Amino acid sequence: RKEVEQDPGPFNVPEGATVAFNCTYSNSASQSFFWYRQDCRKEPKLLMSVYSSGNEDGRFTAQLNRASQYISLLIRDSKLSDSATYLCVVTHVSGGYNKLIFGAGTRLAVHP
Amino acid sequence: ETGVTQTPRHLVMGMTNKKSLKCEQHLGHNAMYWYKQSAKKPLELMFVYSLEERVENNSVPSRFSPECPNSSHLFLHLHTLQPEDSALYLCASSQDPGQGGRKLFFGSGTQLSVL
Repeated sequence: RKEVEQDPGPFNVPEGATVAFNCTYSNSASQSFFWYRQDCRKEPKLLMSVYSSGNEDGRFTAQLNRASQYISLLIRDSKLSDSATYLCVVTHVSGGYNKLIFGAGTRLAVHP
Repeated sequence: ETGVTQTPRHLVMGMTNKKSLKCEQHLGHNAMYWYKQSAKKPLELMFVYSLEERVENNSVPSRFSPECPNSSHLFLHLHTLQPEDSALYLCASSQDPGQGGRKLFFGSGTQLSVL
């Protein structure tokens, strides 16, 4: 089983739509959770951290369910510029440092 | 500008060549990483340096040799690569450990093609 699993997509949605991505992780000792965004042929960039209480940043809402080992990202009012691959990332301490495990990503394509 | 600079952006090399990838971070971080990203695969961690000491090597073939002369610079020396080594190689840094240490800042990557 992969440590971090994501639906690869692609999710094809019209502008203005609401879209949700899910991610599951296998290591119950995972401590921190993030969503990164990666545009085509570019480096990943941190989109937002994910907190146990859930958190929101503008049109983006992240949720964490530790009991189910499940993370989600909700994007409201999708824009063309939201088209990218969204990477779920979990961390745990290994060998004295924070080890980040990346999912393979979910691709989002927003069309006019 | 992410504060992490990688060169070159693109590299084409033959299997007998020797080349090096360079990474420099201007963020004052104390940990640096090399990741490999192949098409439709998750990022694979290759090497981690924390306070200039290698703390992890994820069973990477010896044809990849990292070097971390100080906390701001990281190199990946390449020799006798194989075509399957063609991928995007990403450098990253973080402040690790520490409260903010779990966030990675990536360079723009080197797209490597091995012929």
